[in-house]
Amino acid sequence: EPEVTQTPSHQVTQMGQEVILRCVPISNHLYFYWYRQILGQKVEFLVSFYNNEISEKSEIFDDQFSVERPDGSNFTLKIRSTKLEDSAMYFCASSSTGGASGANVLTFGAGSRLTVL
Amino acid sequence: QKEVEQNSGPLSVPEGAIASLNCTYSDRGSQSFFWYRQYSGKSPELIMFIYSNGDKEDGRFTAQLNKASQYVSLLIRDSQPSDSATYLCAVREGGGFKTIFGAGTRLFVKA
Repeated sequence: EPEVTQTPSHQVTQMGQEVILRCVPISNHLYFYWYRQILGQKVEFLVSFYNNEISEKSEIFDDQFSVERPDGSNFTLKIRSTKLEDSAMYFCASSSTGGASGANVLTFGAGSRLTVL
Repeated sequence: QKEVEQNSGPLSVPEGAIASLNCTYSDRGSQSFFWYRQYSGKSPELIMFIYSNGDKEDGRFTAQLNKASQYVSLLIRDSQPSDSATYLCAVREGGGFKTIFGAGTRLFVKA
């Protein structure tokens, strides 16, 4: 069964450092997303990406964050100058449909746990 | 602020019983509604989705949608210990790309 692949599974970084989380979405999916889940809290939307540009972003997704699809398969989330409160599980997801039509079923990767010390 | 509300639980049911999980949402323009299951330390996995009023059945699971009341529910028949997990209600906002999640209901199925 097709799956979304995320690397690394766990990253520990010092406060103020930059991290890049990587994702390989399902190959025929066109819509890509990043969500995060702070331990014990809800899954929060960060950003959606379609046709090589951000289609929607949340208030959490400020200038500290950026996303990129550097090639035909990878989708990355960059967090600049990490803060303690960035510690969370970051989930990449993809869907075959999106926008105004379709059920927009999200398939999630296993997640990347980020720990900021 | 668009919200998806769920009772956090825990909901405890004996094996073989019906588990009933509920969810309300605030955005009347919402298009699609989802139930995901999340085991501890794992990512959400889709159980089922619904976008028409009424019931939708898939095996032991039945989703119910009432758009007038802005209410979604999930029934799990013949509950099994392996169903013990957190169940996330998710709602896709109307006209947008964002799916927002409730905080989840923890379900325990006792053997």
